[in-house]
Amino acid sequence: DTGVSQNPRHKITKRGQNVTFRCDPISEHNRLYWYRQTLGQGPEFLTYFQNEAQLEKSRLLSDRFSAERPKGSFSTLEIQRTEQGDSAMYLCASSESSQYFGPGTRLTVL
Amino acid sequence: AQSVTQPDIHITVSEGASLELRCNYSYGATPYLFWYVQSPGQGLQLLLKYFSGDTLVQGIKGFEAEFKRSQSSFNLRKPSVHWSDAAEYFCAVGIIQGAQKLVFGQGTRLTINP
Repeated sequence: DTGVSQNPRHKITKRGQNVTFRCDPISEHNRLYWYRQTLGQGPEFLTYFQNEAQLEKSRLLSDRFSAERPKGSFSTLEIQRTEQGDSAMYLCASSESSQYFGPGTRLTVL
Repeated sequence: AQSVTQPDIHITVSEGASLELRCNYSYGATPYLFWYVQSPGQGLQLLLKYFSGDTLVQGIKGFEAEFKRSQSSFNLRKPSVHWSDAAEYFCAVGIIQGAQKLVFGQGTRLTINP
């Protein structure tokens, strides 16, 4: 399978805990994106990497959120001190021209 | 600011009937336009895209879309729907500058009656 993969698929955590998600893009794609999707809404852009460089961040990405792509391959998204409002589907996409999405990580904060 | 409007939150059609999902965008330059489909609990699958050229674009699963610059629209069509087409459909505009991120509409949920 050469698509975008994300792990874990589901994460349930208690408020205040830290969580980390992983995204493995399509191997030849140098662009990688994170989006957040809440119930009944379309995805919203969070951040973008070109190779290992994080080049753009949305104002949605508060100080509790950090993303990395250390070797220009996989990426991680960490949320510190989770809040109930962080409950959402976190989607990763990679691209050369069109963006191809992974299955997402559904986060539930209790 | 860039935006995408999908006026229909929920549409129900009978199996075998034709389908049109509406999408209007607001963008200051020539847009890149996309339609994605999302099944419950899943990620988004690219149906089709418009970058330039022929304004009628063909996609996967028998879908097509027509770019109309004068109406700022990019409506999705299918001549005959199948029960497996039931899903959420998202229209998106691609921002050309910088990150080339996508701005999505709210989505249209499609239900198919047998």
